[in-house]
Amino acid sequence: DTEVTQTPKHLVMGMTNKKSLKCEQHMGHRAMYWYKQKAKKPPELMFVYSYEKLSINESVPSRFSPECPNSSLLNLHLHALQPEDSALYLCASSQDSGGGYYSSYNEQFFGPGTRLTVL
Amino acid sequence: AQSVTQLGSHVSVSEGALVLLRCNYSSSVPPYLFWYVQYPNQGLQLLLKYTSAATLVKGINGFEAEFKKSETSFHLTKPSAHMSDAAEYFCAVSKGSSASKIIFGSGTRLSIRP
Repeated sequence: DTEVTQTPKHLVMGMTNKKSLKCEQHMGHRAMYWYKQKAKKPPELMFVYSYEKLSINESVPSRFSPECPNSSLLNLHLHALQPEDSALYLCASSQDSGGGYYSSYNEQFFGPGTRLTVL
Repeated sequence: AQSVTQLGSHVSVSEGALVLLRCNYSSSVPPYLFWYVQYPNQGLQLLLKYTSAATLVKGINGFEAEFKKSETSFHLTKPSAHMSDAAEYFCAVSKGSSASKIIFGSGTRLSIRP
């Protein structure tokens, strides 16, 4: 299985709602990522988990809260979002050598994304 | 610090013509370079990657890229464009260390004229 899945595909929420995005992979990857992508722009890194521990937080507002319950799952909890948070949210995973020298596997595999609209 | 620059935000070619998408990188250490493709309303798919094993890298869908250290370039080519190649293409660079960041270029939108 070389697939990263994301649910839901589309999400519309109000600014007072609480929702969650879900990402799953079964490739044995130990690094997982959340990206935000606005229209006609490259993906912007939000968070990186390595071995289920948060290793990179790109100064993302606290209304976005990531969670990695196990090595296959990655969640992004959303609360009190703003309309400017509307975007495509992409999840990715990669092999992680766990601090060792580069391995040839750190290409990232991306999911199809969740299209989020905040009203 | 690593960075990539993609020259041309939009490239338009005729079906059957050569595709050339330009990417220049900046890196203080040997880079690991990638080309990703994104079709409308989809995630990113890896086309090919350079990991220092060979300077000419062949990827999926007939694409290839050549790493030229002297020019700090990693341009993407395809001999004959197909309508299905219309998409957004991103060049990216990584240091390659564990759970490392990938730095994406700004992207090039490829259009194919019939």
